Amino acid sequence: NAGVMQNPRHLVRRRGQEARLRCSPMKGHSHVYWYRQLPEEGLKFMVYLQKENIIDESGMPKERFSAEFPKEGPSILRIQQVVRGDSAAYFCASSPPGSTSDAGDQPQHFGDGTRLSIL
Amino acid sequence: DQQVKQNSPSLSVQEGRISILNCDYTNSMFDYFLWYKKYPAEGPTFLISISSIKDKNEDGRFTVFLNKSAKHLSLHIVPSQPGDSAVYFCAAIGGGSEKLVFGKGTKLTVNP
Repeated sequence: NAGVMQNPRHLVRRRGQEARLRCSPMKGHSHVYWYRQLPEEGLKFMVYLQKENIIDESGMPKERFSAEFPKEGPSILRIQQVVRGDSAAYFCASSPPGSTSDAGDQPQHFGDGTRLSIL
Repeated sequence: DQQVKQNSPSLSVQEGRISILNCDYTNSMFDYFLWYKKYPAEGPTFLISISSIKDKNEDGRFTVFLNKSAKHLSLHIVPSQPGDSAVYFCAAIGGGSEKLVFGKGTKLTVNP
C-alpha cells in the first residue's frame, strides 16, 4: 500500500548548485501538488500539476524554480542556482481525479518530504 | 496576508481530557476545511474535513465544528491520548482553486 514517495529524504547542496526533488504519487492519483515549509511556518502552496500539464503555479517563485510531471515517471521539482533561503522542507501531495472539495475522505495525501539544506 | 490563522502555537492537556484546537479564516471563498496531523520528520496526515454546508463532522474521537458566520472552526479530540501529541494544521480550500491554504500549526502535547 504505497503512499506518496519522495526522494531523496535529505538533500545537501552548495550555493549555486541545482537541486532536484522527486515525487511519485499514490497509485491511481493523477494530481500532484508541491508545498514548501519554512521553519516555524505552515506549508505554502507552490504548484499543482496533472500529467504533462501545469495547472496552477501561482505559488512558485518566478525565477530558478520549475516543476514537471511527465507522462511517465515521477514529478520533479527543480531549483537552479540554489541560495541559502531555499533551505526548507518540500512536501509533495497527490490526489485522485476530481476536486479536493468533492473528495470526501480522499483529500490530498502527503509524502514525508525532502529536507533541503544549502551550505 | 495570512488567510488561515491558528493563534495558539502550543497546547498542553492531560490524558483523557478534551483537546480543543482553534482555527480562524478570512477568505469567504473557502468552502472546504481540513485538519492534518504532523509528526516530526514526517509528512502531514489527513485527519478529518468539513464542507462549508455543514457545521459539524465527527469521526471517532475527532469532531470538527464550523461556524461560518464567525469564520471559525475547531477540532475537538476526546478523550486525548499521548499518541495524539503532534502538530495540528488547519487548512482551507475553495474559490475554484485546488491549493490548500495552511495555518502555522498548533503543537499539541498530551501528558500521561
